[in-house]
Amino acid sequence: DGGITQSPKYLFRKEGQNVTLSCEQNLNHDAMYWYRQDPGQGLRLIYYSQIVNDFQKGDIAEGYSVSREKKESFPLTVTSAQKNPTAFYLCASSIGSPPTYNSPLHFGNGTRLTVT
Amino acid sequence: RKEVEQDPGPFNVPEGATVAFNCTYSNSASQSFFWYRQDCRKEPKLLMSVYSSGNEDGRFTAQLNRASQYISLLIRDSKLSDSATYLCVVLSGSARQLTFGSGTQLTVLP
Repeated sequence: DGGITQSPKYLFRKEGQNVTLSCEQNLNHDAMYWYRQDPGQGLRLIYYSQIVNDFQKGDIAEGYSVSREKKESFPLTVTSAQKNPTAFYLCASSIGSPPTYNSPLHFGNGTRLTVT
Repeated sequence: RKEVEQDPGPFNVPEGATVAFNCTYSNSASQSFFWYRQDCRKEPKLLMSVYSSGNEDGRFTAQLNRASQYISLLIRDSKLSDSATYLCVVLSGSARQLTFGSGTQLTVLP
């Protein structure tokens, strides 16, 4: 079955360490996205990529980095520069960018990152 | 003012009730509108797109009012399984990416 796989589901790190969250999709979608969700808040866009080897900053890119070397993969690195990294991280993809009625957003099942 | 605003709720309704959620958006140039459903500690899933003429999918009806810049979602004959958080999502902004509301929590009670 086609879908988006995020791993791990839960991740615990000590403050000051960089951590990389994995996102893989086999939907053959060109566009991929990373969102962050905090309790009681809407999803906020961190980075997005419309095509391989290209990515753009979203609304809250500071303290994060990404790469898009393959169409299927869009890993997110949470660096030690991110002030409040503890959150629920969601990876998504769509056929094209931006997501539209004919190309809606599909999400992975998320990674809960806790930094202490 | 937030770009997309929703009443956070919670809405607690009995099974079989009709419930309506509203969402307002600030950018009059917004182009596409969606409702997503998010179960507790899970990823959001697309519930339905919202078209200008309004659209229905079973017990769910979505309406768009461009003049007043609001979107609504009506759920008829609520089921226990409808309990979730409903996210209003709008395509707008110079980067033309989706903006999510913070969600409206619904609990359907037996």
